[in-house]
Amino acid sequence: DAGVIQSPRHEVTEMGQEVTLRCKPISGHNSLFWYRQTMMRGLELLIYFNNNVPIDDSGMPEDRFSAKMPNASFSTLKIQPSEPRDSAVYFCASSGGTLGGVGELFFGEGSRLTVL
Amino acid sequence: DAKTTQPTSMDCAEGRAANLPCNHSTISGNEYVYWYRQIHSQGPQYIIHGLKNNETNEMASLIITEDRKSSTLILPHATLRDTAVYYCIVRDSYSGAGSYQLTFGKGTKLSVIP
Repeated sequence: DAGVIQSPRHEVTEMGQEVTLRCKPISGHNSLFWYRQTMMRGLELLIYFNNNVPIDDSGMPEDRFSAKMPNASFSTLKIQPSEPRDSAVYFCASSGGTLGGVGELFFGEGSRLTVL
Repeated sequence: DAKTTQPTSMDCAEGRAANLPCNHSTISGNEYVYWYRQIHSQGPQYIIHGLKNNETNEMASLIITEDRKSSTLILPHATLRDTAVYYCIVRDSYSGAGSYQLTFGKGTKLSVIP
């Protein structure tokens, strides 16, 4: 199993540009999570999907952020327009937890975003 | 959601047991205790979880007090590769959507010293 795959691993862009981060969850997992990590705020949950449906997006910082999961094997996190304060490591995680179950989260290696 | 309190940092000699404490005094009856760790520049990695009973797997042991207000993660023979930030997390309430979410705190930075 290849694990959770994220791309790009590193992204450097200029303020105002659109950024798209991609995630391929582990095959068969029904939940997908996007987290953001900074030194100041630690790991923050941005949004999570269950069976491709967004369940809770209360962690999404503002309207500049959007996430989609068009199918069970792919998700994107988009920032438009990007700002320097968006610089962080963005992690995607997936889980195969059953209804009410306690499945563990499997994290990708992260996408390090730097907005100049 | 129940919150957790962990020491900011700890040191442990290589080969010795590392005992990482966590306080979760407001935990409710159906909430699990999870432990994850994050090695520098990597994504967090699941270690172990438990509800009431002590648990053991190939990575670690989890000791939960009888009142469930605190727990201890034990790495029986710490190696240099165990140097990481260790997160103690109490699972959020069941969402009703067949999924769940975990809220990470600051964790404990464990340094294993040669």
